[in-house]
Amino acid sequence: AQSVTQPDIHITVSEGASLELRCNYSYGATPYLFWYVQSPGQGLQLLLKYFSGDTLVQGIKGFEAEFKRSQSSFNLRKPSVHWSDAAEYFCAVVVGGATNKLIFGTGTLLAVQP
Amino acid sequence: KAGVTQTPRYLIKTRGQQVTLSCSPISGHRSVSWYQQTPGQGLQFLFEYFSETQRNKGNFPGRFSGRQFSNSRSEMNVSTLELGDSALYLCASSLGPTGLNTEAFFGQGTRLTVV
Repeated sequence: AQSVTQPDIHITVSEGASLELRCNYSYGATPYLFWYVQSPGQGLQLLLKYFSGDTLVQGIKGFEAEFKRSQSSFNLRKPSVHWSDAAEYFCAVVVGGATNKLIFGTGTLLAVQP
Repeated sequence: KAGVTQTPRYLIKTRGQQVTLSCSPISGHRSVSWYQQTPGQGLQFLFEYFSETQRNKGNFPGRFSGRQFSNSRSEMNVSTLELGDSALYLCASSLGPTGLNTEAFFGQGTRLTVV
């Protein structure tokens, strides 16, 4: 079955440090890929998406992600983390077929130290 | 333009009762999807409606149902509530059906607590 894996449940980084959140998917074809962020008690905000084309995609709030087909990965990066980036981050994929649906990873909770 | 609006934001219900949650999508969006979020199970897909038709359904019991109106607004209903139904219910809207180069925009959710 199609799945999305976020191996890091919880990550703590210092403010100003770089960040990389990992995401791997299992699916034969190239899916549509997304990163969402969720602040406590809130809904999900789309950070960026990959449908096709350039494998390095830029998103909002200074985030970027790189699609690597050979590794079935879509890791999220930010060169310098701000305290306001503390939140939970979800990787998601849409797989093709007649019953398309958005499948989410389990999330990575990011804490930012001053 | 206005985002996805979910009402109510918070609900407390008793076991055995039923509940209806509402979702108004972004203007012009015709697809609405529902998700259940719990600490133990994460984000799980409930169902998707497009042009008033259910086009996809997740692995939930028949107590969970939904519908979409001609103005694309959607409701989901949960009957005979169980304690395990306590969750954040999220609605997402998109221009077209999931998978057709569309992105989903989420509402702030309805926090349902079953006591």
